Amino acid sequence: TQLLEQSPQFLSIQEGENLTVYCNSSSVFSSLQWYRQEPGEGPVLLVTVVTGGEVKKLKRLTFQFGDARKDSSLHITAAQPGDTGLYLCAGERRTNDYKLSFGAGTTVTVRA
Amino acid sequence: NAGVTQTPKFQVLKTGQSMTLQCAQDMNHNSMYWYRQDPGMGLRLIYYSASEGTTDKGEVPNGYNVSRLNKREFSLRLESAAPSQTSVYFCASSELGREAFFGQGTRLTVV
Repeated sequence: TQLLEQSPQFLSIQEGENLTVYCNSSSVFSSLQWYRQEPGEGPVLLVTVVTGGEVKKLKRLTFQFGDARKDSSLHITAAQPGDTGLYLCAGERRTNDYKLSFGAGTTVTVRA
Repeated sequence: NAGVTQTPKFQVLKTGQSMTLQCAQDMNHNSMYWYRQDPGMGLRLIYYSASEGTTDKGEVPNGYNVSRLNKREFSLRLESAAPSQTSVYFCASSELGREAFFGQGTRLTVV
């Protein structure tokens, strides 16, 4: 069982539609990070959220950290084919020496 | 800027062979990680090093050993490769609470 559960595992939508990816845990995190990974490459950071209830926007991407710092969501508005990729959430906890633990990822495909 | 450099990028091993994956970072980070990535499993932590001279097991350490040679370098060794170790391996570095930077990965096949 992974510390961070992501859902859904796969998401295929038409260009212009909206989508939401969820990242849930029973543990409290010091911070949560969202990464995007392209085929054949390592993950690249999109955003870090550190405060419960925090909302961050990155162009068409909106990230939210739950009030209790146990969960997070990524919402993409008007998705484009360039948003296609593997989205990974990662969390660190002071009680776990700040080791970065990842969810299983959500594969997003945006069809033109 | 090189960032995190991993070698090799591809490797095929026979069952029972050994090999070392090399990783070096030039960002002066204290923390370094080795992950493996398998379909549907995300990134699973193999070993972690919080600073030079310290290492700690992650979620899936069995069959692996690591060496934090200095602040820049963190190597991963497979003493006797098994087909279950076929995977893509990523090295990463970071400072506490901040962005992790990843190498491009090593695609390892054990036959």
